Amino acid sequence: EVQLVESGGGLVQPGGSLRLSCAASGLTFSSYEMNWVRQAPGKGLEWVSYISSSGSTIYYADSVKGRFTVSRDNAKNSLYLQMNSLRAEDTAVYYCARDPGLTDWLLFFDNWGQGTLVTVSS
Amino acid sequence: EIVMTQSPATLSVSPGERATLSCRASQSVSSNLAWYQQKPGQAPRLLIYGASTRATGVPARFSSSGSGTEFNLTISSLQSEDFAVYYCQQYNKWPPLTFGGGTKVEIK
Repeated sequence: EVQLVESGGGLVQPGGSLRLSCAASGLTFSSYEMNWVRQAPGKGLEWVSYISSSGSTIYYADSVKGRFTVSRDNAKNSLYLQMNSLRAEDTAVYYCARDPGLTDWLLFFDNWGQGTLVTVSS
Repeated sequence: EIVMTQSPATLSVSPGERATLSCRASQSVSSNLAWYQQKPGQAPRLLIYGASTRATGVPARFSSSGSGTEFNLTISSLQSEDFAVYYCQQYNKWPPLTFGGGTKVEIK
């Protein structure tokens, strides 16, 4: 069974930083492309970032470009999101989500973590 | 950026009735459309991809149709566990990958 477990969320002041982690199990993590998707309280879903299986290809939403950095450690079966210069509008539950494509991206998400809440407030 | 618009925002349906949810794209997404179900306090769950292919384990009462800019998700006979929020997502042109605003299916 695929399990994705996020951690690292919490309360941070505007302008601060936070690093989220997503621990994967039950899958050959190094074979899958991964994404971060967020959901502000009471709002819809917003794609945040994509990283290829090797980590060589990365994309970001414009709303986080230049502030967030996605990375992965395939040896540790882990995905990360370094969030800097945080703003109130970054307050959301952050989900890691798997792209089911094995040989190429499919760009939808078949497995999601339970999410970790990031609150940006003074 | 492709904008996805879902309607209605809320759909009130009685158990056992049929529900039809709509998703419209601001430009063609071909058949590169997915549907997700999200219950309160839970992560989204993939229901449909490729506009009409049910994901593993999804009951046959869920079906989807459409291509280009207009899509429908139909739940043929609503069960208690189907009351949730449903999102469509396009993956034809990216970045960014974009979601609709969601349709909440509530008990009438």
